[in-house]
Amino acid sequence: ETGVTQSPTHLIKTRGQQVTLRCSSQSGHNTVSWYQQALGQGPQFIFQYYREEENGRGNFPPRFSGLQFPNYSSELNVNALELDDSALYLCASSRLAGVAGELFFGEGSRLTVL
Amino acid sequence: AQSVTQLDSQVPVFEEAPVELRCNYSSSVSVYLFWYVQYPNQGLQLLLKYLSGSTLVKGINGFEAEFNKSQTSFHLRKPSVHISDTAEYFCAALPQGGSEKLVFGKGTKLTVNP
Repeated sequence: ETGVTQSPTHLIKTRGQQVTLRCSSQSGHNTVSWYQQALGQGPQFIFQYYREEENGRGNFPPRFSGLQFPNYSSELNVNALELDDSALYLCASSRLAGVAGELFFGEGSRLTVL
Repeated sequence: AQSVTQLDSQVPVFEEAPVELRCNYSSSVSVYLFWYVQYPNQGLQLLLKYLSGSTLVKGINGFEAEFNKSQTSFHLRKPSVHISDTAEYFCAALPQGGSEKLVFGKGTKLTVNP
């Protein structure tokens, strides 16, 4: 069984640039959630995708957007990067009809904005 | 809305000593509760969860937690820790009946010293 994989693992961008992060969900999972984990903080929910549609969103501005593809993989896009966007971005997959809260996390993409 | 408070940001203990990591939650609706562990440079791994039934739940690696509804707490315990338990531990809440939008605490850094 393949776990959740994320790419890239590390990247550095400058303010104003755009970034795309990618996530492959665990086999059999149809739901992908994205979380932002700033240094010294717990993960914050960005949004969730189910069957290629956004299925809930946290308190993040519209410059954070996402996609889910037919194979359930997903992308997180962030436009007009700000210094505060520096964080570890975690992708988690689950079966929406499965056990509540049984999220399987990837190792994250660490974004540094200079 | 839900919130999760982890009362200790850092907990240092000696190897083979018992440990308790404290978590309190606030919610206007019933919640499911979780503990996740994050080892350095890794994603989050589920330790244990409380969905319903017995208030004492057992998880992986010898950890257990007790749900106390009257005190709105879900403290994590282990009777004897190992060096390998050194990690960041996150308590999380999920409102029942909603989607998989976990609300995390800020984390507790457990350091086990020889």
